[in-house]
Order: sequence, then C-alpha cells, then structure tokens
Amino acid sequence: AQSVTQLGSHVSVSEGALVLLRCNYSSSVPPYLFWYVQYPNQGLQLLLKYTSAATLVKGINGFEAEFKKSETSFHLTKPSAHMSDAAEYFCAVTSGTYKYIFGTGTRLKVLA
Amino acid sequence: NAGVTQTPKFRVLKTGQSMTLLCAQDMNHEYMYWYRQDPGMGLRLIHYSVGEGTTAKGEVPDGYNVSRLKKQNFLLGLESAAPSQTSVYFCASTRTGGNEQYFGPGTRLTVT
Repeated sequence: AQSVTQLGSHVSVSEGALVLLRCNYSSSVPPYLFWYVQYPNQGLQLLLKYTSAATLVKGINGFEAEFKKSETSFHLTKPSAHMSDAAEYFCAVTSGTYKYIFGTGTRLKVLA
Repeated sequence: NAGVTQTPKFRVLKTGQSMTLLCAQDMNHEYMYWYRQDPGMGLRLIHYSVGEGTTAKGEVPDGYNVSRLKKQNFLLGLESAAPSQTSVYFCASTRTGGNEQYFGPGTRLTVT
C-alpha cells in the first residue's frame, strides 16, 4: 500500500526566506511523485513531478524537489519566498496505476 | 483548450434533495476521477473511471453514483443529499496512470 505524509499543516516564512515543505512517502514499488499547489477557491495545479528520470526535479515558479529513496522523501523547496507563493501545497504518490494518494496538505503563509 | 471544467461552481441543497455534478475534459484523457476535499483531510477519492463506459468505487463512495457514457464527461450524482456531503468536489483527469492529473476548478456544495 502507498501513503504520503506531509509534516506541518501550516508553515510560515518571511518574504525572501527559504521555503521547505516536507513530504515522506511509502511505496512498495518505484513511485511517481507530484507536488501540486492550490490557490484559494481554485483547483490543484501541478508544480512538478518525479518519474524516475532525475532525482532533482525543477518545477514552475522557482520550486524544486529532490527524490531521496534512502529517506523516502520528496521535499519541496524554493530559495526565496514571494508573497504570491502563499497557498496550500499537496504532495501525491502513485505507482502508475489509476490510484493517486494525496497528503493532507501544507498551508504556506508568507510574511512581509 | 478549456482543460477540465465543472458545473455548477456553487450549489446549496436541502437534505434529501438530489443533484448531478458535471465534469468535462477536452484532452482526450482516459482516466477521470471525482474527489472531495474537506479541511485537514486532503483529497479523498469518491469514484473513478479508466475509460468510457467504466466506473469504479474509490475510498468514500457511499451516497454517490457516477456515470461515464461519453469519454469526455464524468457525472457525479447525489441521490439523497445529507449534511455530511457538504464539501468541495473536484474532478480530475489524466492520460493514463503515472501521469499528472489535471483538475477542474471545483464545486462548492452545501447541504442544509
């Protein structure tokens, strides 16, 4: 069975500071991993995805994530937070079948 | 290319009423999904479809029915609405398993 754990339901950072959102997964088969962003009253948009091609994945809006098999992690980072990054972020895993498992989300607040 | 669209965007129902939510995608995707999003619980899969004419139960199917008569449409029905079905409903589609999902903008449903 697969699962996803996002540590920290709320994260606050100052504008210009490093953003680090944590995601740990559990999977008995090689996983496909995703980060999505959800702005208020909108659907989820794909930030980036890992599909085994490269362990460091770059996404939109300056975000990136590193797949670490030994740590079963796929943490999302951005070197310098911007006010427009305030949103909810979801990590998701799939084994390549129909089934996608989502984390419970991390709400990012950016302080001026 | 509209992507994934959902109608209606908002709806208020009284307990016991019925309604149908419509999801449409114009990307020729095989797989379609219905999720519900509740605070602190992430996305939970209600029903899904892996192709035209097929449907299957997800994690929380009770009280909902679905149909996929055309490849581009996926309908979610509530036969007798209950307050526990107050939620935000998202439709998603993907080409095949392992690829990113594309989400609609959501339907906010309140059952009084």
